[in-house]
Amino acid sequence: EMQLLESGGGLVQPGGSLRLSCAASGFTFNKFVMTWVRQAPGKGLEWVSAISGGGGNTYYADSVKGRFTISRDNSKNTLYLQMNNLRAEDTAVYSCAKGMMTVSFMDVWGKGTTVNVSS
Amino acid sequence: QLVLTQPPSASASLGASVKLTCTLSSGNSRNAIAWHQQQPEKGPRYLMNLNSDGSHIKGDGIPDRFSGSSSGAERYLTISSLQSEDEADYYCQAWGIGTQVFGGGTKLTVL
Repeated sequence: EMQLLESGGGLVQPGGSLRLSCAASGFTFNKFVMTWVRQAPGKGLEWVSAISGGGGNTYYADSVKGRFTISRDNSKNTLYLQMNNLRAEDTAVYSCAKGMMTVSFMDVWGKGTTVNVSS
Repeated sequence: QLVLTQPPSASASLGASVKLTCTLSSGNSRNAIAWHQQQPEKGPRYLMNLNSDGSHIKGDGIPDRFSGSSSGAERYLTISSLQSEDEADYYCQAWGIGTQVFGGGTKLTVL
């Protein structure tokens, strides 16, 4: 069974940093694009970032470009999201999702980890 | 620019059918999309990938009650024989070169 398990969320002050992790199992991790999606309280889904299977290509939403860095360790079947210079509007549940071999749709979702940016 | 538009809400009676709509922005009418379901207090779940010709591939375990269709820039998700657990938010999702986008979501109420 394909599974994704996020961790690393928490409470952080504005301007602070946090690193999220997503542990994958049940599929050949290095073959697939991986994506981070977030959902602010009471709002819809927002695409944050994606990374190719080999890790050589990364993509970001304009709202996080220059502040967030996506990466992956294929030897550990783990996806990461380094979040710097956090703002109140980054408060959300962050979910990782498995994609296809190219950037397209996601077919497996994690349950998410909560990030709260507040002083 | 790739934009997906969904009506914010829909409702239908238990046992009836409902057709949810996702509209692709101008110039993107040939794009495929995906439909995702998010039940209350749960993470999203992939339902299907839907092409411009109406062909679709559903995710594992998705009931036959869920189907997709297309017409021009419109993409549809039809749920038949509505059950209480179908009450959820439904999101369409599309992609471009190095980008992915979601519609605003439709909150489905089962009466």
